[in-house]
Amino acid sequence: QSVLTQPPSVSAAPGQKVTISCSGSSSNIGNNYVSWYQQLPGTAPKLLIYDNNKRPSGIPDRFSGSKSGTSATLGITGLQTGDEADYYCGTWDSSLSVFWVFGGGTKLTVL
Amino acid sequence: QLQLQESGPGLVKPSETLSLTCTVSGGSISSSSYYWGWIRQPPGKGLEWIGSIYYSGSTYYNPSLKSRVTISVDTSKNQFSLKLSSVTAADTAVYYCARNSSPYDYWGQGTLVTVSS
Repeated sequence: QSVLTQPPSVSAAPGQKVTISCSGSSSNIGNNYVSWYQQLPGTAPKLLIYDNNKRPSGIPDRFSGSKSGTSATLGITGLQTGDEADYYCGTWDSSLSVFWVFGGGTKLTVL
Repeated sequence: QLQLQESGPGLVKPSETLSLTCTVSGGSISSSSYYWGWIRQPPGKGLEWIGSIYYSGSTYYNPSLKSRVTISVDTSKNQFSLKLSSVTAADTAVYYCARNSSPYDYWGQGTLVTVSS
């Protein structure tokens, strides 16, 4: 059971838009920056979004992030078959001690 | 370009200690701006944060693993290491090392460690 809650799966057609939610609490998302990671099959996770809504160099602007209260959202527009992957949110948590938490992950299927 | 590479045994017996090393190249592990962490992923499951270390040696550990985990750093070799004691089959996973600039921005390719007799 992950501290951050994500839907297990989402799907959409190529060219469409999809959003992935990440729900937490005041001890994690509510008081810390959120980052998002893309994990293509058989590869290591890759940073997609940091500080809630910033994109590292090389990440297309089809990917966006937002945060409101204790929830965060990853948005992907203009879906491509190459976007089919697992997506994870992550942030610090200070409920018991300071440590990092990941969401359970969301499998994106591009139909 | 910063690169991280995990190394260590791919097979560990139950009750023994899992030991992995992450070698950092293309940058110094002694940079004051970063922590260095370990994350694992059991087969078919999600990511689990294990812990992080600063070049000075200060550490943060996942409370659920804290009693079995030790992360250390060797700045002379530009490496940091993970030890996980008393392993069971539940510790079978791909283990990743990564740089934590809050977020985790650089990752190793990962190494599969299987716990089996």
